[in-house]
Amino acid sequence: GESVGLHLPTLSVQEGDNSIINCAYSNSASDYFIWYKQESGKGPQFIIDIRSNMDKRQGQRVTVLLNKTVKHLSLQIAATQPGDSAVYFCAESMGLWTDKLIFGTGTRLQVFP
Amino acid sequence: NAGVTQTPKFRVLKTGQSMTLLCAQDMNHEYMYWYRQDPGMGLRLIHYSVGEGTTAKGEVPDGYNVSRLKKQNFLLGLESAAPSQTSVYFCASSRGRADQPQHFGDGTRLSIL
Repeated sequence: GESVGLHLPTLSVQEGDNSIINCAYSNSASDYFIWYKQESGKGPQFIIDIRSNMDKRQGQRVTVLLNKTVKHLSLQIAATQPGDSAVYFCAESMGLWTDKLIFGTGTRLQVFP
Repeated sequence: NAGVTQTPKFRVLKTGQSMTLLCAQDMNHEYMYWYRQDPGMGLRLIHYSVGEGTTAKGEVPDGYNVSRLKKQNFLLGLESAAPSQTSVYFCASSRGRADQPQHFGDGTRLSIL
């Protein structure tokens, strides 16, 4: 099985509940933020992104909130489903000023019936 | 639409052997990246390319070489494999600089004995 993700913080939620996954970023100059989902044995899958001129962005069943004051990013998943079980991680960058994303280590989301 | 395709998916090498990991993307993206993912750590950038014929070092370039002879392909080489290079390797591509999402392949799981 996939060994990546050992010792990650874990969030356990019941199917149908809402999930909130948090991420603290390090660079106050970061301008662009992304959330990825990584299922076991798969590559990271883009979920949603947000730029620093926004506080909130919504997708299908997901919402990203950005609090620049405390350098905090969160991903909210509505009506969590078993298929949402995965490792979620955020990434930050200085947008157009860089070629590189900086990735966090991730949170494992476990959904139980 | 295949997106980003990595070959091989699994490989076991002996210390000192060489090999090349292949990445191909069909999205006409300018930028391509090679990362390694180790347990408990975020994705770490090895090398990247901002266009055909260009390459640049990332965070952990030692022991690896890359080539981007065609826009759609990005090759990662290990000249003399070491056990410390045991990891999961991901290739990604994006349309431009780090204000856009990167799209990932499903990885190559490499073990060096």
